[in-house]
Amino acid sequence: GAVVSQHPSRVICKSGTSVKIECRSLDFQATTMFWYRQFPKQSLMLMATSNEGSKATYEQGVEKDKFLINHASLTLSTLTVTSAHPEDSSFYICSAGVRQFRGQYFGAGTRLSVL
Amino acid sequence: AQSVTQLDSHVSVSEGTPVLLRCNYSSSYSPSLFWYVQHPNKGLQLLLKYTSAATLVKGINGFEAEFKKSETSFHLTKPSAHMSDAAEYFCVVKDTGNQFYFGTGTSLTVIP
Repeated sequence: GAVVSQHPSRVICKSGTSVKIECRSLDFQATTMFWYRQFPKQSLMLMATSNEGSKATYEQGVEKDKFLINHASLTLSTLTVTSAHPEDSSFYICSAGVRQFRGQYFGAGTRLSVL
Repeated sequence: AQSVTQLDSHVSVSEGTPVLLRCNYSSSYSPSLFWYVQHPNKGLQLLLKYTSAATLVKGINGFEAEFKKSETSFHLTKPSAHMSDAAEYFCVVKDTGNQFYFGTGTSLTVIP
């Protein structure tokens, strides 16, 4: 089956630093990639949708300048948390969609802890 | 507009007994519906999906769900719970624009 690789699985960083999370579709071309954030005891919240070669579409309330998304190719999307602060600590999950498939393939997620 | 309601935030069952995780949805169109499972510190895993074919959908690990349009429900069931089933379960509805809407999740505890 389709595999989405998300890296790193866990990252601990100091406040003020930037962190980049990669999401790769390993054996298929993803027309669309999604980035989610999961708060403790809450469901996933969609942060942004990105299509290859175009700017990401951010959900209301998500800061574009803080959460930079790049979808450079059909197999790679990156999320950069800029100037991270402790309140950015969360579980971030990416997923990849294929146009003909009515579903998404999820990465394993990245646990970000900002000290 | 689409929305998903998972009626129980937490369900606890004894090992070997049936599992029922409830999900109701609202959708303006004929929806696509999914159940995902998330084990601790793991990513989401697709259990099963309904896409307007058979109303009773069989998934992995013995789970199944029945789409009931009249009740706008898509409850997840399993005849006999196993310890490894302890996890967080998410009911998800997808609209025609490829937007996914997640329920708040149900935490399943399996008691030995």
